[in-house]
Amino acid sequence: KNQVEQSPQSLIILEGKNCTLQCNYTVSPFSNLRWYKQDTGRGPVSLTIMTFSENTKSNGRYTATLDADTKQSSLHITASQLSDSASYICVVSANYGQNFVFGPGTRLSVLP
Amino acid sequence: EAGVVQSPRYKIIEKKQPVAFWCNPISGHNTLYWYLQNLGQGPELLIRYENEEAVDDSQLPKDRFSAERLKGVDSTLKIQPAELGDSAVYLCASSLELAGYNEQFFGPGTRLTVL
Repeated sequence: KNQVEQSPQSLIILEGKNCTLQCNYTVSPFSNLRWYKQDTGRGPVSLTIMTFSENTKSNGRYTATLDADTKQSSLHITASQLSDSASYICVVSANYGQNFVFGPGTRLSVLP
Repeated sequence: EAGVVQSPRYKIIEKKQPVAFWCNPISGHNTLYWYLQNLGQGPELLIRYENEEAVDDSQLPKDRFSAERLKGVDSTLKIQPAELGDSAVYLCASSLELAGYNEQFFGPGTRLTVL
C-alpha cells in the first residue's frame, strides 16, 4: 500500500533555531517528492520538489534532501522565524505524476 | 495571476441537509482535484478531473457525494445528505504539467461544520 509517514507529529522550537522534519515513504512507482507548507486556514503551498535523481534542493531557508534508496526525505529549516509556524506536509507522487500520496504533516510552532 | 478560488470559505449546516462547494481553478489548468482534509491530517483525494472527465473517483463516497466540472473549468462538489462525520476542510487544487511533472496549486479550502 502506498503510504507516507512523517515525524515528529509536532515540534516546538525557539525563534532563530534550526530544525529538521522527517518523511518516510513506501510509494511506487516513485515519480517525485514535494514538501508543502500549510498555514492555518490556508491551502498547502509548495516549497520544494525533487525527482528520483535529485538528492537535495533549497528554497531560501528551507533545504530538502532525498534518499531514494532508503525512501527517506528530510526538510531542514534554518534560522527559524515566527512565520515558519505551520504544518509541513510531505507528498510523494506515484504513477508518473498522476497520483499524490500525502503524509499527515508535522505541526511546527516557532516561539519568540 | 489569480490563484484557485473556493467558496464559501466556511459553511455550517445541520445533519441531513445538502451542501455544495464551488471551485474556480487557475486559468489554463486542465486537471482539477477535490480533497478532504481532517484536522491534523494530510489531504485525501476525493476526485480528480482531466478537463470534464472524472478520471479518478475511486475514493468518492458516491452514495452521498457528487461532483461535476461543466465545460472543464469550474467545479462543484455536493454532499446530500450531510452527516456529522463530513465535518472537515474541503480543498480544491488545480495543476499544470511543468518540466515533466504536475505542479499542484491549492485553494484556501471550505471549512464545513455539520451539527
